[in-house]
Amino acid sequence: AQRVTQPEKLLSVFKGAPVELKCNYSYSGSPELFWYVQYSRQRLQLLLRHISRESIKGFTADLNKGETSFHLKKPFAQEEDSAMYYCARSGTYKYIFGTGTRLKVLA
Amino acid sequence: NAGVTQTPKFRVLKTGQSMTLLCAQDMNHEYMYWYRQDPGMGLRLIHYSVGEGTTAKGEVPDGYNVSRLKKQNFLLGLESAAPSQTSVYFCASSTGGETQYFGPGTRLLVL
Repeated sequence: AQRVTQPEKLLSVFKGAPVELKCNYSYSGSPELFWYVQYSRQRLQLLLRHISRESIKGFTADLNKGETSFHLKKPFAQEEDSAMYYCARSGTYKYIFGTGTRLKVLA
Repeated sequence: NAGVTQTPKFRVLKTGQSMTLLCAQDMNHEYMYWYRQDPGMGLRLIHYSVGEGTTAKGEVPDGYNVSRLKKQNFLLGLESAAPSQTSVYFCASSTGGETQYFGPGTRLLVL
């Protein structure tokens, strides 16, 4: 079965510290990988997708096919980064989401 | 462009009652999805549609029905609500394999 695993339910870091949110996916063909973010009481929105190779709000994510990982990174966390982050992969007609990681950036 | 909208925003039901959640999108997307979001469970796909008149089951379809009579609308129905269906429901749309656009969510409490 196609799966997306986010091993951390909660990640707390201090402001200015580096952040890495882990995501591993089950291998099946050439999936497209995404990171979505949900700020408090708001809708989910796309943060970035691997195919575009962009850096959004200082976040980057590199697809590692060998390790089947798509970890999200930011060198210096800011308080406004506190949110719920979901990793997702595309499947046949649909998407598979991980269980999410809540990031808390402490002042 | 309103994007993806959901009606209602919040609802309280008693066990056994029925209701319909409405999702509408104005982006001419072919694909639409219904998810439920529960603490520790992430987003789970209930049903989805790949075009007008088509629907398919997702990961957790039991207790729900859907209809896609018009391309822009995707309805989620609960025929007989149960407390286990207390959740936040999100609708999303996409062009297929691309970015999903989400609605603001509907909070449902079943007593």
